[in-house]
Amino acid sequence: SAVISQKPSRDICQRGTSLTIQCQVDSQVTMMFWYRQQPGQSLTLIATANQGSEATYESGFVIDKFPISRPNLTFSTLTVSNLSPEDSSIYLCSATGSIDTQYFGPGTRLTVL
Amino acid sequence: SQQGEEDPQALSIQEGENATMNCSYKTSINNLQWYRQNSGRGLVHLILIRSNEREKHSGRLRVTLDTSKKSSSLLITASRAADTASYFCATGDSGGGADGLTFGKGTHLIIQP
Repeated sequence: SAVISQKPSRDICQRGTSLTIQCQVDSQVTMMFWYRQQPGQSLTLIATANQGSEATYESGFVIDKFPISRPNLTFSTLTVSNLSPEDSSIYLCSATGSIDTQYFGPGTRLTVL
Repeated sequence: SQQGEEDPQALSIQEGENATMNCSYKTSINNLQWYRQNSGRGLVHLILIRSNEREKHSGRLRVTLDTSKKSSSLLITASRAADTASYFCATGDSGGGADGLTFGKGTHLIIQP
């Protein structure tokens, strides 16, 4: 199984600023993904982080708001830009290797004031 | 939109009893995965069942899958206080972990001591 870490674990940000979340996997993985979990809700897929190319975004999510990088097979970042209180959520990254099991990081809890 | 729907949304039982949670989905799937989440933290992977499988066991967990009814169930036997958590089913459309998962709304399970 893959062990995934995220930084920061939580942050409080001011409206209009941005937060960049880092995701590190302890082994090379094929796919990495980013999800959002709004308060009291389930998880929603934001995008697939593609290594060496632009991320693939789900409907309702755009690159200008959620730019994603994946410079190598074990690392990805998600930036949440121009923050508003509606962006207050838990953001989780996940990864899969050669099998279908998808492992998740511990999440980053973002509060926007 | 959410693919899976869990029921019940909340379940409270006595320690030692069995807990059953159900999940329904709408489209064809390659696999279905169950996760546990404690108090808004990261997701813990419990079990994966593929579309050509009908039942899987892991310790006190038993998962069934009925693709004709597009439904799955998670049974936790001999529940413990530590099982108190939210449980989510998530479906994968493609093999090889190529796609992100579509999550259900989750069941919040409370084990009364």
